[in-house]
Amino acid sequence: DAKTTQPNSMESNEEEPVHLPCNHSTISGTDYIHWYRQLPSQGPEYVIHGLTSNVNNRMASLAIAEDRKSSTLILHRATLRDAAVYYCILKGSNFGNEKLTFGTGTRLTIIP
Amino acid sequence: DTEVTQTPKHLVMGMTNKKSLKCEQHMGHRAMYWYKQKAKKPPELMFVYSYEKLSINESVPSRFSPECPNSSLLNLHLHALQPEDSALYLCASSQANRVEGYTFGSGTRLTVV
Repeated sequence: DAKTTQPNSMESNEEEPVHLPCNHSTISGTDYIHWYRQLPSQGPEYVIHGLTSNVNNRMASLAIAEDRKSSTLILHRATLRDAAVYYCILKGSNFGNEKLTFGTGTRLTIIP
Repeated sequence: DTEVTQTPKHLVMGMTNKKSLKCEQHMGHRAMYWYKQKAKKPPELMFVYSYEKLSINESVPSRFSPECPNSSLLNLHLHALQPEDSALYLCASSQANRVEGYTFGSGTRLTVV
C-alpha cells in the first residue's frame, strides 16, 4: 500500500481555519485520498475523499496538489469539537481492494 | 439508519472464556470490517467480508474467529485470549467495490484478565 506522511501533532486557535497537510509521493493513478478523524473515545469518522479535483462538503474541504503527491484538509472554522486525530489514507479503487489502512495521523489540538 | 451498532460496549473476559462481539448495520452495505485499536495507536485491519464472504484475513491468530451470518450482521468470536489482546475492537461497513467512505461503530472495549 502507498504510504502517507503527516505531522504528528498540530495546534490551532478556535474559530480560525486549520490546514492539515499530507504527503503521498508514491500515490498511484487509481488511489483515492481519504480523510478520517477520530474523536476521543469514538470510532473513526469519515470526513472527505477525492481523486484529482478539490472537494468540498459540509465538514471540510480537500485541496489536492496538481501532481497528487500531497493534499491538504481544510477545516474552515475550527471549534473545540474538531479536536481529534486526523488520518490521511490512500485507498485503491480496484475491484477487491477493500482495505483501508490507517497511518499514525495528526493529533489536532484546538486552543480556546 | 446511518449507523453501525456494536455490542457490548465494554467486555471483561478471562483467558479461558468464550465470548462474541456483535456488529450490525442496516445501510445495505455489502462490505464489513473488523479493526483492532490499542491505546494511542491507529486502528489495524483484522478481517474484511465482502458479500458475506471472508475476503481478507490479516494473519490474525485463530483465537479470533469472524462470522458474517447475513448482510447486516458481523460477529467476532473470541476464545482463549491473552491479556495483550485487550484493545478497542471496531467494526465498519461500506459499499462493496466502491470508493465512498466507511462507517465505523463506536467500538467494544475489551479487557482480558
